[in-house]
Amino acid sequence: EPEVTQTPSHQVTQMGQEVILRCVPISNHLYFYWYRQILGQKVEFLVSFYNNEISEKSEIFDDQFSVERPDGSNFTLKIRSTKLEDSAMYFCASSLAGGGDNEQFFGPGTRLTVL
Amino acid sequence: GENVEQHPSTLSVQEGDSAVIKCTYSDSASNYFPWYKQELGKRPQLIIDIRSNVGEKKDQRIAVTLNKTAKHFSLHITETQPEDSAVYFCAGVYGGATNKLIFGTGTLLAVQP
Repeated sequence: EPEVTQTPSHQVTQMGQEVILRCVPISNHLYFYWYRQILGQKVEFLVSFYNNEISEKSEIFDDQFSVERPDGSNFTLKIRSTKLEDSAMYFCASSLAGGGDNEQFFGPGTRLTVL
Repeated sequence: GENVEQHPSTLSVQEGDSAVIKCTYSDSASNYFPWYKQELGKRPQLIIDIRSNVGEKKDQRIAVTLNKTAKHFSLHITETQPEDSAVYFCAGVYGGATNKLIFGTGTLLAVQP
């Protein structure tokens, strides 16, 4: 069964450094998402992406964040200058279509630790 | 606004007992309400979902009910087993074509053997 994959599984970085989190969505999916989960808290929506542009972003997704689909398979989340509070698990998800009843499939996550 | 409330935050049951987790959603949620199970350090995994054209859906030991009038939906797990122990999240879909998931705060279910 196809799965969403993410790399790396764990990233440790110094405050102020740039990080890029990578995701490979399921191949025929058209809608892509990033979510964040701070340890012990709920999963929070960051951004949705369709047709090579951002569809919607949350208040968390400020100017330090950006997303890109550089080729036909990868979907990346960049944080330009990391802060301590960016430490969290970041999940990528994809769905086949954009209707309200289309299942989103989650990747295994990247644990980001900012020191 | 876009909000999903979830209760309880923790739930401890004896193996074989039933567990019920409840959620309420705000007005603008769409017609689809998934439930995710998350084991420690793992990804959220869809276990069951319900669309608003039905009031109940069942899959073996798991069932979900939806009350659109009250904006409530609930997860029911019967004959609980230790492997059911995990964090369970309800979610609502918001944003029309954007289709973003707004999650509840999660319920830590502990099934005592």
